[in-house]
Amino acid sequence: QSALTQPASVSGSPGQSITISCAGTSSDVGGYRFVSWYQQHPGKAPKLMLFEVSLRPSGVSDRFSGSKSGNTASLTISGLQAEDEADYYCCSYAGSSTWIFGGGTKVTVL
Amino acid sequence: QVQLVQGGAEVKKPGASVMVSCKASGYPFSSYGISWVRQAPGQGLQWVGWISAYSGDTNYTQKVQGRLTLTTDTSTSTAYMELRSLRSDDTAVYFCARAVAGTEFDFWGKGTLVTVSS
Repeated sequence: QSALTQPASVSGSPGQSITISCAGTSSDVGGYRFVSWYQQHPGKAPKLMLFEVSLRPSGVSDRFSGSKSGNTASLTISGLQAEDEADYYCCSYAGSSTWIFGGGTKVTVL
Repeated sequence: QVQLVQGGAEVKKPGASVMVSCKASGYPFSSYGISWVRQAPGQGLQWVGWISAYSGDTNYTQKVQGRLTLTTDTSTSTAYMELRSLRSDDTAVYFCARAVAGTEFDFWGKGTLVTVSS
């Protein structure tokens, strides 16, 4: 089972919006609404940012939003801030209590 | 508050086994699952396995099938990951995470570095 496909890097200036894509198949992203996104700063544990495609856990800024179309999910960060610079990973349920992560995207704030 | 506290770093020789612990607190342990996710140095996240703390049901990625065993001790709210026949490419930080009803991983441990080296 190959990792979900994410761009290796995305960058933007403070205040701008960026979008990270996460491409899978009908067996994972396309087959379930259980797509989640995680933010990871260097040397830290991942942090849940979105679940079930577009829902935000308590405490996560509404600058983070998600969507899904077919086999591709997306994370959009609006009003980019310096603190958003991190690695981002998508994750999809793949059936039978298995999950698959994307390869990760490094977000750089210029 | 929900916390997952993992054991300390391990250094093992190829062919050996390692057991990593993950002690949960702040929530009803048996009401959630625990997933294990690893991250090799400089690499991305890889899901390796899941266990239901309620039923003990497990599932593993094919990459470690046959070498990985996940267990839980509900009396101490602790999850364990045992990986056998260690290889150099098992070197990674291993995270435990609370799994919510098959959907997302909402709380994570800080990770345990497992180094496999001769």
